[in-house]
Amino acid sequence: QQQVKQSPQSLIVQKGGISIINCAYENTAFDYFPWYQQFPGKGPALLIAIRPDVSEKKEGRFTISFNKSAKQFSLHIMDSQPGDSATYFCAASNPGNTPLVFGKGTRLSVIA
Amino acid sequence: GAVVSQHPSWVICKSGTSVKIECRSLDFQATTMFWYRQFPKQSLMLMATSNEGSKATYEQGVEKDKFLINHASLTLSTLTVTSAHPEDSSFYICSARDQGGAIPEAFFGQGTRLTVV
Repeated sequence: QQQVKQSPQSLIVQKGGISIINCAYENTAFDYFPWYQQFPGKGPALLIAIRPDVSEKKEGRFTISFNKSAKQFSLHIMDSQPGDSATYFCAASNPGNTPLVFGKGTRLSVIA
Repeated sequence: GAVVSQHPSWVICKSGTSVKIECRSLDFQATTMFWYRQFPKQSLMLMATSNEGSKATYEQGVEKDKFLINHASLTLSTLTVTSAHPEDSSFYICSARDQGGAIPEAFFGQGTRLTVV
Protein backbone atom coordinates (compact mmCIF):
# COMPACT_ATOMS: atom_id res chain seq x y z
CA GLN A 1 0.00 0.00 0.00
CA GLN A 2 1.53 3.23 -1.12
CA GLN A 3 1.00 5.83 1.55
CA VAL A 4 2.47 8.79 -0.34
CA LYS A 5 1.34 9.47 -3.89
CA GLN A 6 3.59 11.67 -6.03
CA SER A 7 2.94 13.35 -9.35
CA PRO A 8 3.90 13.90 -12.06
CA GLN A 9 6.13 10.95 -12.85
CA SER A 10 8.24 13.12 -15.14
CA LEU A 11 8.47 16.82 -15.79
CA ILE A 12 10.17 18.97 -18.40
CA VAL A 13 10.67 22.64 -17.59
CA GLN A 14 12.35 25.46 -19.45
CA LYS A 15 15.36 27.08 -17.86
CA GLY A 16 14.21 29.89 -15.59
CA GLY A 17 10.76 28.40 -15.18
CA ILE A 18 9.02 27.03 -12.10
CA SER A 19 9.02 23.29 -11.42
CA ILE A 20 6.11 22.02 -9.34
CA ILE A 21 5.85 18.54 -7.90
CA ASN A 22 2.91 17.37 -5.84
CA CYS A 23 2.40 14.74 -3.17
CA ALA A 24 -0.60 13.48 -1.27
CA TYR A 25 -0.71 11.35 1.84
CA GLU A 26 -3.29 9.36 3.74
CA ASN A 27 -1.86 8.84 7.19
CA THR A 28 -2.83 11.79 9.36
CA ALA A 29 -0.27 10.71 11.96
CA PHE A 30 2.61 11.73 9.67
CA ASP A 31 4.46 14.68 11.17
CA TYR A 32 7.51 15.12 8.97
CA PHE A 33 7.48 15.80 5.23
CA PRO A 34 10.88 16.07 3.50
CA TRP A 35 11.87 16.38 -0.12
CA TYR A 36 14.97 14.72 -1.52
CA GLN A 37 17.00 15.23 -4.68
CA GLN A 38 18.76 12.24 -6.17
CA PHE A 39 21.27 12.15 -8.99
CA PRO A 40 22.04 8.87 -10.78
CA GLY A 41 24.24 6.58 -8.72
CA LYS A 42 24.00 8.77 -5.63
CA GLY A 43 22.05 8.61 -2.42
CA PRO A 44 19.13 11.01 -1.84
CA ALA A 45 20.12 14.44 -0.57
CA LEU A 46 17.80 16.32 1.76
CA LEU A 47 16.53 19.50 0.10
CA ILE A 48 13.94 20.88 2.47
CA ALA A 49 11.47 19.56 5.02
CA ILE A 50 8.35 20.77 6.78
CA ARG A 51 6.22 19.93 9.79
CA PRO A 52 2.39 20.03 9.62
CA ASP A 53 2.10 23.08 11.83
CA VAL A 54 3.56 25.26 9.06
CA SER A 55 1.88 25.99 5.72
CA GLU A 56 4.96 27.08 3.80
CA LYS A 57 8.72 26.94 4.07
CA LYS A 58 11.23 28.52 1.75
CA GLU A 59 14.93 27.87 1.40
CA GLY A 60 16.59 29.65 -1.47
CA ARG A 61 14.88 28.62 -4.71
CA PHE A 62 13.02 25.75 -3.04
CA THR A 63 9.62 26.15 -1.38
CA ILE A 64 7.36 23.60 0.27
CA SER A 65 3.65 24.36 0.39
CA PHE A 66 1.67 22.29 2.86
CA ASN A 67 -2.12 21.87 3.01
CA LYS A 68 -3.00 19.88 6.10
CA SER A 69 -6.74 19.74 5.46
CA ALA A 70 -6.23 18.41 1.94
CA LYS A 71 -3.36 16.15 3.05
CA GLN A 72 -1.20 17.46 0.26
CA PHE A 73 2.20 19.08 -0.03
CA SER A 74 4.21 20.32 -2.94
CA LEU A 75 7.70 21.38 -3.94
CA HIS A 76 8.25 24.48 -6.01
CA ILE A 77 11.62 25.10 -7.64
CA MET A 78 11.91 28.69 -8.76
CA ASP A 79 14.21 29.79 -11.58
CA SER A 80 14.85 26.17 -12.53
CA GLN A 81 18.34 25.45 -13.87
CA PRO A 82 19.76 22.57 -15.93
CA GLY A 83 21.71 21.53 -12.84
CA ASP A 84 18.38 20.88 -11.11
CA SER A 85 17.75 17.99 -13.50
CA ALA A 86 17.43 15.00 -11.19
CA THR A 87 14.87 12.74 -9.57
CA TYR A 88 12.91 14.25 -6.72
CA PHE A 89 11.23 12.25 -3.99
CA CYS A 90 8.72 13.38 -1.43
CA ALA A 91 8.51 11.42 1.78
CA ALA A 92 6.72 11.32 5.09
CA SER A 93 7.16 9.71 8.46
CA ASN A 94 5.40 9.07 11.72
CA PRO A 95 6.58 10.77 14.92
CA GLY A 96 9.81 9.62 16.50
CA ASN A 97 12.81 7.82 15.10
CA THR A 98 10.85 6.15 12.32
CA PRO A 99 11.62 5.32 8.70
CA LEU A 100 10.47 7.41 5.77
CA VAL A 101 7.79 6.38 3.33
CA PHE A 102 8.66 7.60 -0.14
CA GLY A 103 6.67 8.70 -3.13
CA LYS A 104 7.54 7.09 -6.44
CA GLY A 105 9.66 9.98 -7.59
CA THR A 106 9.58 12.64 -10.31
CA ARG A 107 12.22 12.85 -12.99
CA LEU A 108 12.81 16.53 -13.68
CA SER A 109 14.53 17.71 -16.82
CA VAL A 110 15.34 21.40 -17.13
CA ILE A 111 16.10 22.35 -20.70
CA ALA A 112 17.83 25.47 -21.94
CA GLY B 1 23.71 19.06 7.80
CA ALA B 2 24.54 15.77 9.43
CA VAL B 3 26.55 13.25 7.43
CA VAL B 4 25.94 9.59 6.88
CA SER B 5 28.79 7.76 5.20
CA GLN B 6 28.38 4.47 3.38
CA HIS B 7 31.09 2.14 2.12
CA PRO B 8 31.80 0.81 -0.42
CA SER B 9 30.22 2.88 -3.16
CA TRP B 10 30.16 -0.07 -5.49
CA VAL B 11 31.07 -3.73 -5.34
CA ILE B 12 31.10 -6.61 -7.77
CA CYS B 13 31.03 -10.11 -6.36
CA LYS B 14 30.65 -13.63 -7.58
CA SER B 15 27.43 -15.52 -7.09
CA GLY B 16 27.45 -17.42 -3.81
CA THR B 17 29.77 -15.08 -1.96
CA SER B 18 28.90 -12.59 0.78
CA VAL B 19 29.26 -8.82 0.75
CA LYS B 20 29.34 -6.42 3.69
CA ILE B 21 28.19 -2.82 3.44
CA GLU B 22 29.00 -0.31 6.20
CA CYS B 23 26.98 2.70 7.23
CA ARG B 24 28.33 5.31 9.63
CA SER B 25 26.85 8.40 11.17
CA LEU B 26 29.80 10.78 11.26
CA ASP B 27 28.68 13.62 13.52
CA PHE B 28 25.74 12.30 15.49
CA GLN B 29 24.79 9.16 17.31
CA ALA B 30 22.22 6.95 15.68
CA THR B 31 20.46 4.42 17.88
CA THR B 32 18.45 3.46 14.83
CA MET B 33 19.48 3.19 11.20
CA PHE B 34 17.42 2.21 8.20
CA TRP B 35 18.36 0.15 5.17
CA TYR B 36 16.68 0.72 1.82
CA ARG B 37 16.90 -0.94 -1.54
CA GLN B 38 16.37 0.83 -4.83
CA PHE B 39 15.95 -0.75 -8.24
CA PRO B 40 16.64 1.29 -11.41
CA LYS B 41 14.15 4.10 -11.97
CA GLN B 42 12.18 3.11 -8.88
CA SER B 43 11.69 4.54 -5.44
CA LEU B 44 13.38 3.53 -2.22
CA MET B 45 11.90 0.55 -0.44
CA LEU B 46 12.56 0.00 3.25
CA MET B 47 14.24 -3.34 3.92
CA ALA B 48 14.88 -3.22 7.64
CA THR B 49 15.32 -1.08 10.71
CA SER B 50 18.61 -1.54 12.51
CA ASN B 51 18.60 -1.00 16.27
CA GLU B 52 21.79 -0.52 18.27
CA GLY B 53 22.34 -3.43 20.60
CA SER B 54 19.31 -5.43 19.53
CA LYS B 55 17.93 -7.39 16.61
CA ALA B 56 16.93 -5.68 13.43
CA THR B 57 13.33 -5.43 12.34
CA TYR B 58 12.72 -6.62 8.80
CA GLU B 59 9.98 -5.58 6.43
CA GLN B 60 7.61 -8.19 5.08
CA GLY B 61 9.18 -10.18 2.28
CA VAL B 62 12.79 -9.41 3.23
CA GLU B 63 14.78 -12.51 4.12
CA LYS B 64 16.54 -11.88 7.43
CA ASP B 65 18.92 -14.80 6.89
CA LYS B 66 20.04 -13.37 3.55
CA PHE B 67 20.36 -9.76 4.66
CA LEU B 68 22.19 -9.82 7.98
CA ILE B 69 22.18 -6.56 9.88
CA ASN B 70 24.48 -5.70 12.77
CA HIS B 71 24.32 -2.44 14.70
CA ALA B 72 27.14 -2.82 17.18
CA SER B 73 27.68 0.83 18.06
CA LEU B 74 25.85 4.15 18.03
CA THR B 75 27.60 5.18 14.81
CA LEU B 76 27.90 1.99 12.78
CA SER B 77 25.47 -0.40 11.16
CA THR B 78 26.41 -3.10 8.67
CA LEU B 79 24.39 -4.98 6.09
CA THR B 80 25.77 -8.30 4.89
CA VAL B 81 24.27 -9.84 1.80
CA THR B 82 24.93 -13.55 2.24
CA SER B 83 25.20 -16.08 -0.58
CA ALA B 84 24.54 -13.33 -3.07
CA HIS B 85 22.81 -14.10 -6.34
CA PRO B 86 22.30 -11.97 -9.46
CA GLU B 87 18.78 -11.05 -8.33
CA ASP B 88 20.34 -9.35 -5.28
CA SER B 89 22.03 -6.85 -7.59
CA SER B 90 20.64 -3.47 -6.62
CA PHE B 91 21.41 -0.10 -5.07
CA TYR B 92 21.47 -0.31 -1.28
CA ILE B 93 21.16 2.87 0.77
CA CYS B 94 21.32 3.44 4.50
CA SER B 95 19.76 6.27 6.45
CA ALA B 96 19.77 7.69 9.94
CA ARG B 97 17.85 10.44 11.64
CA ASP B 98 19.61 13.11 13.66
CA GLN B 99 17.64 13.34 16.89
CA GLY B 100 19.72 16.26 18.14
CA GLY B 101 17.82 19.07 16.40
CA ALA B 102 14.33 20.44 16.68
CA ILE B 103 13.32 18.32 13.72
CA PRO B 104 14.76 14.77 13.41
CA GLU B 105 16.05 15.18 9.89
CA ALA B 106 16.71 12.00 7.92
CA PHE B 107 20.02 11.74 6.11
CA PHE B 108 21.17 9.17 3.61
CA GLY B 109 24.45 7.55 2.72
CA GLN B 110 25.90 7.71 -0.76
CA GLY B 111 24.53 4.29 -1.60
CA THR B 112 26.24 1.03 -2.60
CA ARG B 113 25.82 -0.39 -6.07
CA LEU B 114 26.00 -4.19 -5.73
CA THR B 115 26.49 -6.26 -8.85
CA VAL B 116 26.47 -10.04 -8.50
CA VAL B 117 27.94 -11.92 -11.45
